[in-house]
Amino acid sequence: DAGVIQSPRHEVTEMGQEVTLRCKPISGHNSLFWYRQTMMRGLELLIYFNNNVPIDDSGMPEDRFSAKMPNASFSTLKIQPSEPRDSAVYFCASSLGAGVGYNEQFFGPGTRLTVL
Amino acid sequence: AQKVTQAQTEISVVEKEDVTLDCVYETRDTTYYLFWYKQPPSGELVFLIRRNSFDEQNEISGRYSWNFQKSTSSFNFTITASQVVDSAVYFCALSEGGTSGSRLTFGEGTQLTVNP
Repeated sequence: DAGVIQSPRHEVTEMGQEVTLRCKPISGHNSLFWYRQTMMRGLELLIYFNNNVPIDDSGMPEDRFSAKMPNASFSTLKIQPSEPRDSAVYFCASSLGAGVGYNEQFFGPGTRLTVL
Repeated sequence: AQKVTQAQTEISVVEKEDVTLDCVYETRDTTYYLFWYKQPPSGELVFLIRRNSFDEQNEISGRYSWNFQKSTSSFNFTITASQVVDSAVYFCALSEGGTSGSRLTFGEGTQLTVNP
């Protein structure tokens, strides 16, 4: 079975540009998570969805960040406009179960974003 | 609020040594779940183990073992006879129970280097 798929794997962009990161969760999983990993802040949860509905977006740093999940097999994380401090690795993860904490999350390979 | 602390930032051992990675957690919930993830140099996050708060039995899987002690709020991870392939960053994580329990809070990670 395919794991969580993320694209692109690497993105280099200039400050002010719009960036869109994409994620395809594991088929049958109904929870999807977006994380950001930086040296300074470690792994942080940005937002998560249950059954395509955003449940907790308290980790989204500011209005420049937005996330959507139009269907069970696709989600996007958009940054507009991007800033150098957004440079990080962005992970998408998925799990079974809605609103329960015991199911392990399976992570995608990550998107390494560099904003110049 | 939940919190996970991994006090060891970096550990360096020689191959075949045993090594223990410490994890201390804080939560107000009586139902919660603890996880360990491995992040090898390639960057992906790999699930290793899950434990729920009602199961304090230690677990062994090959060279890996986990010691869960609620009395000290610790969930330590031991690698026996370490190998170079064990070199990675290891993350301990906590998820609380209940309807909002899908949020994973990660520790800062421990960089393990196993030298030949």
